[in-house]
Amino acid sequence: TQLLEQSPQFLSIQEGENLTVYCNSSSVFSSLQWYRQEPGEGPVLLVTVVTGGEVKKLKRLTFQFGDARKDSSLHITAAQPGDTGLYLCAASRAQKLVFGQGTRLTINP
Amino acid sequence: NAGVTQTPKFRILKIGQSMTLQCTQDMNHNYMYWYRQDPGMGLKLIYYSVGAGITDKGEVPNGYNVSRSTTEDFPLRLELAAPSQTSVYFCASSYSMQPSNQPQHFGDGTRLSIL
Repeated sequence: TQLLEQSPQFLSIQEGENLTVYCNSSSVFSSLQWYRQEPGEGPVLLVTVVTGGEVKKLKRLTFQFGDARKDSSLHITAAQPGDTGLYLCAASRAQKLVFGQGTRLTINP
Repeated sequence: NAGVTQTPKFRILKIGQSMTLQCTQDMNHNYMYWYRQDPGMGLKLIYYSVGAGITDKGEVPNGYNVSRSTTEDFPLRLELAAPSQTSVYFCASSYSMQPSNQPQHFGDGTRLSIL
């Protein structure tokens, strides 16, 4: 079983649409990170959230940490083809990162 | 800055062969990590190191060995390659082991196939 469950696993939408992907767990975490990974490259950090209820914005991306620090969401407004990639959430456990299985996002022009 | 550099980028091995995956970083980070990424499974931690001369097992260490003789280098060794070790391997480094304070920086990966 995965400590972090991401949903959906795959998402394909048209350019300009909005979308939300989720990262859920039954465990409480001290912090949670979102990474984006493009083909042939390693993951790159997008954001770290540390406070329950925290909302962070990165241009058209909005990240939220759940009040109980067990879950997180990533919302993309007006998706663009450049947003295509694998989105990974990762949580801190015993000072090491545990990753979800990822959401593979495809934005069609 | 080069960041984290992994070599080779691709490799095909026969069952039972051995090889070393190289990883070097130029950011003077004390903490280094090896992950494997299988389709639909996210990244799993194999081994990690908190500094030169110190290594420890992660979630999936069986079949692998590591060493950390210098701050910059953290090679991963497969002694007897098995088909289950077919995967993409990522090396990462960070300034701190507190993810909330410092991000992990990843290399571009080594794609390894065992046939």
